[in-house]
Amino acid sequence: TQLLEQSPQFLSIQEGENLTVYCNSSSVFSSLQWYRQEPGEGPVLLVTVVTGGEVKKLKRLTFQFGDARKDSSLHITAAQPGDTGLYLCAGARDNNDMRFGAGTRLTVKP
Amino acid sequence: DSGVTQTPKHLITATGQRVTLRCSPRSGDLSVYWYQQSLDQGLQFLIQYYNGEERAKGNILERFSAQQFPDLHSELNLSSLELGDSALYFCASSVGAFGGWGYTFGSGTRLTVV
Repeated sequence: TQLLEQSPQFLSIQEGENLTVYCNSSSVFSSLQWYRQEPGEGPVLLVTVVTGGEVKKLKRLTFQFGDARKDSSLHITAAQPGDTGLYLCAGARDNNDMRFGAGTRLTVKP
Repeated sequence: DSGVTQTPKHLITATGQRVTLRCSPRSGDLSVYWYQQSLDQGLQFLIQYYNGEERAKGNILERFSAQQFPDLHSELNLSSLELGDSALYFCASSVGAFGGWGYTFGSGTRLTVV
């Protein structure tokens, strides 16, 4: 069982649609990160959130950290083919234990 | 270019062999992390070094070992290789000992054991 559960596992949408992916856990995290990984490449850090209830925006991407710091969501507005990739969340616990979710594989069709 | 350099990019070897993967962290980063990524297991943490010292250990097999050198580059040694060791191996780096602010990943080494 993964410490961080990401849903959905796969998502295929048309260009221009909106989407939300989720990262849930029963553990409390001191910080949570989102990464995007493209085939054959390493994950690239998109954002780090540290405060419960925090919302961060990065152009068309909106990240939210749950009030209890156990879960997070990533919302993409007007998805583009360039958003295609594997979206990974990672949570850091106070003992410096960092865990990754299994990821959401997003495909945006033109 | 993320600033984290991993070599080689691809490696094909036979069962029972030993290989060494190399990683140079981003300039200024003192921590190096090694991760294994396979289709069924996702990203699994292997080991972390901070400024030359082992800092944290994850699911690293006894057949695997790593070290970080004075110039901060790191090597991951995989021995007595098995088919199941085929995976992508990533190195990541961070400034401090705590990676909670995020990692910079390299582009990985794809290991195929035949």
